[in-house]
Amino acid sequence: GAVVSQHPSWVICKSGTSVKIECRSLDFQATTMFWYRQFPKQSLMLMATSNEGSKATYEQGVEKDKFLINHASLTLSTLTVTSAHPEDSSFYICSASRVGSGQEAFFGQGTRLTVV
Amino acid sequence: GDSVTQMEGPVTLSEEAFLTINCTYTATGYPSLFWYVQYPGEGLQLLLKATKADDKGSNKGFEATYRKETTSFHLEKGSVQVSDSAVYFCALTYSGGGADGLTFGKGTHLIIQP
Repeated sequence: GAVVSQHPSWVICKSGTSVKIECRSLDFQATTMFWYRQFPKQSLMLMATSNEGSKATYEQGVEKDKFLINHASLTLSTLTVTSAHPEDSSFYICSASRVGSGQEAFFGQGTRLTVV
Repeated sequence: GDSVTQMEGPVTLSEEAFLTINCTYTATGYPSLFWYVQYPGEGLQLLLKATKADDKGSNKGFEATYRKETTSFHLEKGSVQVSDSAVYFCALTYSGGGADGLTFGKGTHLIIQP
């Protein structure tokens, strides 16, 4: 149990286009989902925290208009990178915590975004 | 702000060798500490955790002790196996991991040779 699935696992898009990444909790309801970004040989950096039905909370320095987060249900959150540029190329990872748990976050496999 | 520093990799060991991966942290309060592992092609998985000073987390033969005096949470295993090859991340948070985001170290790539 406690499986989190991200889709797609990798994507290549052209500069100026938008790309959506999905994060699903397959076998549990997630009160909170998190989005991280990882540069090569760097830490995972928390981008934003989303709670079902409310606006996401973004970390300092993260552009909320560029990285749109929607958490429409207890099993799905989406990250949309708008007007993507090559500097947005990165590895994006989501995690979800289970309703009633509060003690552990479960991670998706990550999405490799390349903007050309 | 809070930060986590862990040893750079890759770390290459022979099977059955003793493993230590160092992790130190800087925090304004008293966080919970975690080790996550990422096997090739998979998401991060919680390996072990400790929520207060002097606690020892353990799982699958791995251990780490929360040392407040040295602000450290070093990961150890007495005899590694090829299947332990993965990337290991040290992390901290104040909520136990579920309600707040985690602050991660850069990750240490461990390679175990037969």
